[in-house]
Amino acid sequence: EEQLLESGGGLVQPGGSLRLSCEASGFIFSDYAMSWVRQAPGKGLEWVSSISGSGGKSYFADSVKGRFTISRNNSKNTVELQMNSLRIEDTAAYFCAQVPTPILGSITYFQHWGQGTLVIVSS
Amino acid sequence: SYELTQPPSVSVSPGQTARITCSGDALSKAYAHWYQQKAGQAPLLIIYKDTERPSGIPGRFSGYSSGTTVTLIISGVQAEDEADYYCQSAESSGILIFGGGTKLTVL
Repeated sequence: EEQLLESGGGLVQPGGSLRLSCEASGFIFSDYAMSWVRQAPGKGLEWVSSISGSGGKSYFADSVKGRFTISRNNSKNTVELQMNSLRIEDTAAYFCAQVPTPILGSITYFQHWGQGTLVIVSS
Repeated sequence: SYELTQPPSVSVSPGQTARITCSGDALSKAYAHWYQQKAGQAPLLIIYKDTERPSGIPGRFSGYSSGTTVTLIISGVQAEDEADYYCQSAESSGILIFGGGTKLTVL
């Protein structure tokens, strides 16, 4: 059974940094692209970033481009989101999600989701 | 960038059919996918590629696509279907987008 377990959330001051991690199990990790999706309190879903199965290609929403980076370690079955220059509006639950293909494109969707980790940006 | 538009809320009585729409110019060329999110839970994929249903999803959930609008149809709505529903699509560039979400209330 596919499982995704996020960690690394917490309270951070504006301008600070945080590194989220997602540990995957139950599937051949390198066969699947991975993504991060966030949800601000009481708001809708917002795609943040995706990375291909090989790690060779990554994509970012305009709202985080230049501040966030995504990486994966296929030997450890983990995907990480490095968040720098955090803003109050980055406060959200961050979900790790599996994409059913190794390559990202026009048919990308999210097949399995973790339970999320909460990031609070506040002074 | 493009947008996906959903109605903020839909209400139906148990046993009736709920229809939730998602509109956007990009949908004439791209697939839409649907997620159900119950309070305090992670989203769950319920429809992919406009009309396909993942294993384990009840048959009362179906999808329909026409032009720039896709529709999630829930037949014989049950109380447990009360949730937020989101459509999602993707550009060939790798950029992904969600609709604003629709709160389904079962009266």
